[in-house]
Amino acid sequence: GAVVSQHPSWVICKSGTSVKIECRSLDFQATTMFWYRQFPKQSLMLMATSNEGSKATYEQGVEKDKFLINHASLTLSTLTVTSAHPEDSSFYICSARGGTSGSYNEQFFGPGTRLTVL
Amino acid sequence: GNSVTQMEGPVTLSEEAFLTINCTYTATGYPSLFWYVQYPGEGLQLLLKATKADDKGSNKGFEATYRKETTSFHLEKGSVQVSDSAVYFCALIYGGATNKLIFGTGTLLAVQP
Repeated sequence: GAVVSQHPSWVICKSGTSVKIECRSLDFQATTMFWYRQFPKQSLMLMATSNEGSKATYEQGVEKDKFLINHASLTLSTLTVTSAHPEDSSFYICSARGGTSGSYNEQFFGPGTRLTVL
Repeated sequence: GNSVTQMEGPVTLSEEAFLTINCTYTATGYPSLFWYVQYPGEGLQLLLKATKADDKGSNKGFEATYRKETTSFHLEKGSVQVSDSAVYFCALIYGGATNKLIFGTGTLLAVQP
């Protein structure tokens, strides 16, 4: 199947700093990318959906000014956690799909990024 | 609202044992149902899916049947292997073709030789 990578796989930062996480589709063009957050022993929670070249659509309760998403090309989306605080510590997972809206196309998932804010 | 509930793990089995991981859902309308698997250090992979009632999804010896009457989509395998050790997520898509996946909490399966 298609491959999605994330970088970095883990990051530790100080409170108040910003952290950027990259999500790349390696062998297909991703018209849509999704960002999820996972707490220990809990479900993956969808944070936002981004379509290439347009603004991301955030889920209810997700602060768009805190979690900046850029989907500048068909193979790259970035999530920037701005002014990170310890409560932002989590496992962030991206997924990507090709195809067009209006039909289900399989989402391919990255391996995740573990963020720890001290 | 829409949600997925799956059994808590970890599930520990001996090789060749029978596996069942329970999954039930709450949804308006008729969702599509999925099982994803996450092997250590890797991303989630689609294991199988079913898009309407009574459909059976199957892959790699795993099966799950979409039961509308019991709102369930239990995952089964007749004989597990050590290589099946992973975290298994039940999920649904709601709202037509929005592609928004709702996941259960995941169940860790550990298969011992």
